[in-house]
This record gives sequence, C-alpha cells and structure tokens, in this order.
Amino acid sequence: QLQLQESGPGLVMPSETVSLTCSVSGGSISRSSFCWGWIRQPPGKGLEWIGTVYDSGGTYYNPSLRSRVTMSVDTSKNQFSLHLNSVTAADTAVYYCVRPAAVGSNYYGMDVWGQGTTVTVSS
Amino acid sequence: EIVMTQSPATLSVSPGERVTLSCRASQSISSNIAWYQQKPGQAPRLLLYTASTRATGIPARFSGSGSGAEFTLAINNLQSEDFAVYYCQQYNDWPRGLTFGGGTKVEIK
Repeated sequence: QLQLQESGPGLVMPSETVSLTCSVSGGSISRSSFCWGWIRQPPGKGLEWIGTVYDSGGTYYNPSLRSRVTMSVDTSKNQFSLHLNSVTAADTAVYYCVRPAAVGSNYYGMDVWGQGTTVTVSS
Repeated sequence: EIVMTQSPATLSVSPGERVTLSCRASQSISSNIAWYQQKPGQAPRLLLYTASTRATGIPARFSGSGSGAEFTLAINNLQSEDFAVYYCQQYNDWPRGLTFGGGTKVEIK
C-alpha cells in the first residue's frame, strides 16, 4: 500500500525559502507514468493546488505560485520535494504531498495523501 | 483560471437524511470533476472522479451527477461519519491546472 510522509521545518522566516520533502513507501516513485504533487491549506481555509512533478522531471505549477516554486524528484531516495521561495505570512498552511491517480492525460483524482505538515511563516 | 463555486457554505442536517451539495464551474468542464471529503485534522479523501465514479472503498450512499458546469454530490442516509467538509475539484486543464471549490461543511443539526 502506497504511503506518503511529508517532512520539513515547521517555522520559516519571512523572505526565506521553505523546503519540504515527501518520502514514498510501499512503491517506487519512478514507476512509469506516475506523477506526484503538492496541495496546501491555509488555517481555516480551502485547498490550493501548488503543482505536479513527473518522475521524468517535468513540472506543472499553479500560475499564482509559478515564479516562486520548484519541484523535483529524487528517484534514488524515493522522494520528491517542494521549494517555495520568498515566503510571507500568506504561505502559512498545512502542506500535503499527494499522488494523483493519472495515466498520461487521464486523471482520476488524488487518491493518496500524506498526513500533512504545518509550515508557519513568522519572524 | 476556472473558478469553482460551492453552495451552500454550510448545511445543517440530521443523521439519516439525504443531502445534496452543489458545485458550479465558471466555464464548461465536461465531466472533469472530483469530490473530496475532509474531516478535522485529517487529509482529504477522494470520493468521486469523472463526476460520478466512486473511488475505491467509497460507499454507495455517495453519488455524483452533472456535466458541463453544474454538478451535484448527494449523500443518502447520512451517517455520523459523513459530517465533514466536502470539496469539488476541476481538472479540465490537467495536467496544467487544477482548482478546488471553497468547500461545503455538513454539520449535525
């Protein structure tokens, strides 16, 4: 059974970069046609898609965050990562790593979620 | 960007009742919509995709309908474990974009 686990700093200073890692267990991150993603949820608010990364390295980002986001996959560690730079208080949220159930251009929802990790941006 | 609008924001219902939640897209998205359930302190759980296909392990009391820009999630015979927040998600632009609705909270009356 595929499982995801986020890790990263709980507290980040404004203007710095937050780096989060998602460890994949119960399956290989480099299985063909799979992709991986990040979703965030500010306190008391709804869900926001951050972006999607393929094991080939291809990426798609939310246009509102594109200038500040980088995602990557490390197949040797069975992990994928999120880097968000120039953070402000508005980036305070629970960050979830996810596995979209997708094959090529066909999408079937995000069927595997990590438990989420809280990131607080504050000085 | 396709905007998803959910209504109402909150529904107060009694166990055993049937509820319907609405989601409207700012433009036609065919049947490219998924629904998620989120309980306090938990990650969301996938309920439905392609508007009406239940995900693995989802009870038959959850059903979805609609196409184009108007969609509905129905829950029959509401159980205590169904009180939660429900989100719709459009994926018409997949993989270039995904957007969620603001959520509907189903609370105990």
